Amino acid sequence: GAGVSQSPRYKVTKRGQDVTLRCDPISSHATLYWYQQALGQGPEFLTYFNYEAQPDKSGLPSDRFSAERPEGSISTLTIQRTEQRDSAMYRCASSLPGHHEQYFGPGTRLTVT
Amino acid sequence: DAKTTQPPSMDCAEGRAANLPCNHSTISGNEYVYWYRQIHSQGPQYIIHGLKNNETNEMASLIITEDRKSSTLILPHATLRDTAVYYCIVPRAGSYQLTFGKGTKLSVIP
Repeated sequence: GAGVSQSPRYKVTKRGQDVTLRCDPISSHATLYWYQQALGQGPEFLTYFNYEAQPDKSGLPSDRFSAERPEGSISTLTIQRTEQRDSAMYRCASSLPGHHEQYFGPGTRLTVT
Repeated sequence: DAKTTQPPSMDCAEGRAANLPCNHSTISGNEYVYWYRQIHSQGPQYIIHGLKNNETNEMASLIITEDRKSSTLILPHATLRDTAVYYCIVPRAGSYQLTFGKGTKLSVIP
């Protein structure tokens, strides 16, 4: 596609509910990243995929967070049993393999009430 | 990632050159310097990167000192649309993640 797209753009959920966020990367990009960005802070790395492999989950804050990319294209980030501290902007990015030139999507603003 | 140090904020007059400094004294020989910016609530945008030599593209120029311990991003003719937070990042060789830090908030003033 023309760029990285994410959906939904905004999500409000109640504490304890599960949410799933979606990322559609640039079609030629094998590598996909997830970042979490709190208000007024820079993005913080969560995890990344090379095609469908997920070599690094070191940034995931807890086992409530998981990500998938089963066919090496679209990815989902799922947060189970959401907590208020999970409220943030979740950003997806993609790149060619091994490149640090990453292209970011518009993000999903998650609010947990 | 190698630690980077940037001033928290800078002002620049519209039409003048904006020079944004970054210190990265612990950089290793094979690590690149990357610059990104984030305009308001948009996603970060890649600007430029370099290893040793100075680099220029349609957005900016990157000047890296000979000892590679610091660099300067230059926006030659700043416009109001260049108001953003600018991040200097030195990813660890072999690592895929970017560590954004706090960056420099550049305000371009009419």
